[in-house]
Amino acid sequence: NAGVTQTPKFQVLKTGQSMTLQCAQDMNHEYMSWYRQDPGMGLRLIHYSVGAGITDQGEVPNGYNVSRSTTEDFPLRLLSAAPSQTSVYFCASHKGQGRNTIYFGEGSWLTVV
Amino acid sequence: ILNVEQSPQSLHVQEGDSTNFTCSFPSSNFYALHWYRWETAKSPEALFVMTLNGDEKKKGRISATLNTKEGYSYLYIKGSQPEDSATYLCALGRDMRFGAGTRLTVKP
Repeated sequence: NAGVTQTPKFQVLKTGQSMTLQCAQDMNHEYMSWYRQDPGMGLRLIHYSVGAGITDQGEVPNGYNVSRSTTEDFPLRLLSAAPSQTSVYFCASHKGQGRNTIYFGEGSWLTVV
Repeated sequence: ILNVEQSPQSLHVQEGDSTNFTCSFPSSNFYALHWYRWETAKSPEALFVMTLNGDEKKKGRISATLNTKEGYSYLYIKGSQPEDSATYLCALGRDMRFGAGTRLTVKP
């Protein structure tokens, strides 16, 4: 039962570096999302996808890119890391438009120095 | 953009107390509301998905109600235990936008 798998779990980046957070799900869910968690702000939606080839911006998309070439994978790219992107990132997936349980990955702790 | 508001921001109760908190949302175009329990350093855990006005759901000592006409949902915890300490999140809408959460601390 893999569910939602995201890697890496921990990463330290220097300002200006780029990196990709990987996310994969094996439940054949159409919907996948990336959230960031900051103290006192809950989970904020970065980008989401409603199916392969379709992505859209969430609340805080600036500085991030996504793609959805397959149903299973939804990587999040940081183009030029900034200290403001220090956060915990969660990938999630769910079936249907929003009436089904969301399944989360275990989180990726990113520090930008 | 959907504004999902949760109150209070934090709550401290004694073991055995019952407590409740609120998720407020725009009442127009309601689709579904989710409640999640989230412990630090762990993934959020699903509690309830609510879709109909008047819905009441229960899971052990935790229950939730939904009023879509006035735009709010209550989460109740009966007889709080230290292990209930967590942040409780609600999420709304087709694109699953979350509120900031209510951080519950239960003191032994």
